[in-house]
Amino acid sequence: KNQVEQSPQSLIILEGKNCTLQCNYTVSPFSNLRWYKQDTGRGPVSLTIMTFSENTKSNGRYTATLDADTKQSSLHITASQLSDSASYICVVSGGSSYKLIFGSGTRLLVRP
Amino acid sequence: DVKVTQSSRYLVKRTGEKVFLECVQDMDHENMFWYRQDPGLGLRLIYFSYDVKMKEKGDIPEGYSVSREKKERFSLILESASTNQTSMYLCASSGGQGAFGAFFGQGTRLTVV
Repeated sequence: KNQVEQSPQSLIILEGKNCTLQCNYTVSPFSNLRWYKQDTGRGPVSLTIMTFSENTKSNGRYTATLDADTKQSSLHITASQLSDSASYICVVSGGSSYKLIFGSGTRLLVRP
Repeated sequence: DVKVTQSSRYLVKRTGEKVFLECVQDMDHENMFWYRQDPGLGLRLIYFSYDVKMKEKGDIPEGYSVSREKKERFSLILESASTNQTSMYLCASSGGQGAFGAFFGQGTRLTVV
């Protein structure tokens, strides 16, 4: 069964600290993996997209990694800011499927 | 930048009303999707469309229908709104076979009273 699992479910960190969010998937065949940030009450906004051949991609303070062999991805946030407080959702796209497989998200709270 | 626009941010409707949620994308994407998002349940696919006038049921199609008369527009219809359809509704679009992931609209918070 195609699944995407994220951990932790929630995380609280102090402003300025780094954190890493995890995403494990069993989707096959694999097309790409996206990390989204979703502020409360808003639609998800894409942070990074990674295909099979990519293993690291950065977007400012966000760095995503992908290990296609172990089917794991991580999102590392450097020098966190209060505005990073949001849900982070990992979404995997299958090769021939129009469907997207969603993780349940990690809710991050950055405290001053 | 890709733009996916949903017609309303907030909507309040009465039980039994017919409700239309509209979504428009400006990137000539083939695929469009409607999801609902509820606390603790994540995003669940209601319907998707991979071409004009084509539609496929997602995981929770009951109580909903869709219409795609033009490539850029995908409408979600609640034939007779019920309180258990109170939710956040998200529209998304993608090109090709999901090759570049999806772009989401800003969401419509629907409350059925």
